[in-house]
Amino acid sequence: GNSVTQMEGPVTLSEEAFLTINCTYTATGYPSLFWYVQYPGEGLQLLLKATKADDKGSNKGFEATYRKETTSFHLEKGSVQVSDSAVYFCALRETSGSRLTFGEGTQLTVNP
Amino acid sequence: DGGITQSPKYLFRKEGQNVTLSCEQNLNHDAMYWYRQDPGQGLRLIYYSQIVNDFQKGDIAEGYSVSREKKESFPLTVTSAQKNPTAFYLCASQSGGRSYNEQFFGPGTRLTVL
Repeated sequence: GNSVTQMEGPVTLSEEAFLTINCTYTATGYPSLFWYVQYPGEGLQLLLKATKADDKGSNKGFEATYRKETTSFHLEKGSVQVSDSAVYFCALRETSGSRLTFGEGTQLTVNP
Repeated sequence: DGGITQSPKYLFRKEGQNVTLSCEQNLNHDAMYWYRQDPGQGLRLIYYSQIVNDFQKGDIAEGYSVSREKKESFPLTVTSAQKNPTAFYLCASQSGGRSYNEQFFGPGTRLTVL
């Protein structure tokens, strides 16, 4: 079956530090890949997505590239802010599927 | 504004009582989903519905029930058979069946069973 593995958290960084959150996946076919963000006490919001190999999704300074050869979709940001503190979820959906498969989430805390 | 509403935001119930969580969307989406989130864990799919009057079990459907009588509404009932119902419940919707279509999430309902 499909699965998504995220790096274990929590991750704590200082403001303006570089962020990487690793995400690898197992799936058949050519899934679409997503990063969602959840701020405390809220629902999830789509951060970015990529639908085919070598696509780069980007939003709000965050980027992730769909790497089929390494089955990865790592999230990066060059300079984090305190407001980026949240839980980040990597997810995939198969081409023919209607369900999202989520990773376990990575808690990010950015200190001033 | 289009979106998904869940009510109430906080819900308290006594053990052994059934409780229904509301989820409404005005995005004209065909598909709707219910997830459960426990502290420090990812999302687990409870039920989903791709069209009105049809729904499928997710990974943890035991102790839950749903209905989909209207496109806009997908209520979730947490029954007394659910052994550990205290959790954060998230509803989501999606347009169409394309794999790249995003799911939109509601703000969630935090259920506490006393």
